[in-house]
Amino acid sequence: EVQLVESGGGLVQPGGSPRLSCAASGFTFRNYNMNWVRQAPGKGLEWVAHISSSGSTIYYADSVKGRFTISRDNAKNSLYLQMNSLRAEDTGVYYCARHLFGNYFDYWGQGTLVTVSS
Amino acid sequence: SYVLTQPPSVSVAPGQTARITCGGNDIGIKSVHWYQQKPGQAPVLVVYADSDRPSGIPERFSGSNFGNTATLTISGVEAGDEAGYYCQVWDSSSDHLVVFGGGTKLTVL
Repeated sequence: EVQLVESGGGLVQPGGSPRLSCAASGFTFRNYNMNWVRQAPGKGLEWVAHISSSGSTIYYADSVKGRFTISRDNAKNSLYLQMNSLRAEDTGVYYCARHLFGNYFDYWGQGTLVTVSS
Repeated sequence: SYVLTQPPSVSVAPGQTARITCGGNDIGIKSVHWYQQKPGQAPVLVVYADSDRPSGIPERFSGSNFGNTATLTISGVEAGDEAGYYCQVWDSSSDHLVVFGGGTKLTVL
């Protein structure tokens, strides 16, 4: 059974630098591209970042470019999101999602909530 | 960047057919995917590549895509279908690769 489990969220002060993790199991992680998608409270889905299966190709949404870094450790079956210079508008639930060849997401984690507030 | 436009809400009586639209410039030449999200839960893929269904998704869920509008159709709507629905495309022409529509709240009357 495919499972994606995010962790690392919580209350963070503006300017803080948390690191989110996504532990993958039930599939060959190194074969799949992965993404982070977030959702502000009461709002819609917003794509954050994409990383290829090998980690060689990375893309970011303009809203996080230069502040967030996506990475992965295929030996540990883990995906990461290093978040720097956090702002109030970064508050939301962060999901990791498995990316299929047709450019859609077939499995999502349960999400981890990041709240940016002083 | 590419924009997807969805109606904020759609209401339908049980047993009727719900149609949720997703508008975009020449969206018919793109591959459109749909997700269902119930409150407090992660999104679930219900239709991919315009009209294909993942295993486990009822046949009541179908999709179409032509011209400037993609449509998710839910036939024989049930109370359990009440949720938010999001369309999504991959826009390789820009840096903003993954585009979601703003979402539609389906209310079952």
